[in-house]
Amino acid sequence: DAMVIQNPRYQVTQFGKPVTLSCSQTLNHNVMYWYQQKSSQAPKLLFHYYDKDFNNEADTPDNFQSRRPNTSFCFLDIRSPGLGDAAMYLCATSRVTVSGANVLTFGAGSRLTVL
Amino acid sequence: SQQGEEDPQALSIQEGENATMNCSYKTSINNLQWYRQNSGRGLVHLILIRSNEREKHSGRLRVTLDTSKKSSSLLITASRAADTASYFCATDDSNYQLIWGAGTKLIIKP
Repeated sequence: DAMVIQNPRYQVTQFGKPVTLSCSQTLNHNVMYWYQQKSSQAPKLLFHYYDKDFNNEADTPDNFQSRRPNTSFCFLDIRSPGLGDAAMYLCATSRVTVSGANVLTFGAGSRLTVL
Repeated sequence: SQQGEEDPQALSIQEGENATMNCSYKTSINNLQWYRQNSGRGLVHLILIRSNEREKHSGRLRVTLDTSKKSSSLLITASRAADTASYFCATDDSNYQLIWGAGTKLIIKP
């Protein structure tokens, strides 16, 4: 089945130790998103790629970086995780067309714990 | 960014009862979507209603949209334990990004 796969599902890191989360998709969607979601809150958009174009949300901290080496893969790098970065990180994809609605397909998420 | 409010924030009902959740938004929209999120998992798209539609059904789900009041409701009929989850509404802005409501946490008691 076509899907969005996130790895790892659970990541434990130490304060300040870099972390990389990965996302892959078999849907051939042109847009990939990274969201941060804290407990009982709505997802918060960090970045998105429209094809190769990278779009950074204005309030995304510099500590967060992203890479999309090809259309199928996307990475989230947290350079120096702080305690406040502990959250669920969700990858999502969509196929944006001129006339179509933007329906997102999410991965299962990567839960980050910072010690 | 968050578009508006969802209410209630939490809802607990008996299995078999109907559950209604509401979503309000602030700006004009092209469509409104509802997603479900089981605990510790990603979100799953449930249903989309376009701005020129007033009501839509999908199985046990019924969504209404009132663009004059900038609000939508999601009704789940004959609830089941498996419906226990958080439910989020989302609207799309002109830049094809989704703007999320705060979510309603639904608990179905057996």
